[in-house]
Amino acid sequence: EIVLTQSPDTLSVSPGERATLSCRASQRVRSNSLAWYQQRPGQAPRLLIFGTSNRGTGIPDRFSGSGSGTDFTLTISRLEPGDFAVYYCQQYGSTPWTFGPGTKVEIK
Amino acid sequence: DVHLVQSGGGPVNPGGSLRLSCAASGFTFGSYSMNWVRQAPGKGLECVSSISSIGSYVYYADSVKGRFTISRDNAKNSLYLQMTSLRAEDTAVYYCVRDETVTSWGIFDYWGQGTLVTVSS
Repeated sequence: EIVLTQSPDTLSVSPGERATLSCRASQRVRSNSLAWYQQRPGQAPRLLIFGTSNRGTGIPDRFSGSGSGTDFTLTISRLEPGDFAVYYCQQYGSTPWTFGPGTKVEIK
Repeated sequence: DVHLVQSGGGPVNPGGSLRLSCAASGFTFGSYSMNWVRQAPGKGLECVSSISSIGSYVYYADSVKGRFTISRDNAKNSLYLQMTSLRAEDTAVYYCVRDETVTSWGIFDYWGQGTLVTVSS
């Protein structure tokens, strides 16, 4: 099973600034099959990024993903109020599909 | 618009059973794989079960294997999760989730509203 580690646990950022979130896998993620989800309090997760760098339907270009192999990054430029949430990475290259523990982005 | 409306859930005693349902609309249900993903209170996400578009392939996490059964009725655009021998550690919000399927399995592109299952005496 591929274990995903996310850092930092919590990221304090001011509105309008950039946030950079990291996801590291315990082994290579096949075909860079890595997704990112946003979960606001009391809501279901929402797909942001799949295939490492492809944005989901309706996701603004402020969200971008990069990386390969075992190291992946989600970048949120110009943070808006609705972006303060928990972000999860997930690998779907190997079963069982697994999620990281999440990074909370909070208002500084 | 894609909609996944869940029902079922609630409190149940340890060892008890419960059935979750998910009614899908806004897309051709029979063309997509579907999943159940759960989230224990204050915790992360776990995919507990998946089923292919015509039900020919199913997946269960080790944590629920032998206790949970996933099924679907494409004529009724519905997904189900039959849960038996429930344990305290099964307490979680359960989400019905569509699999993007076209690009790859395991991309969770639409989520239901979630339903809380509480296993406690």
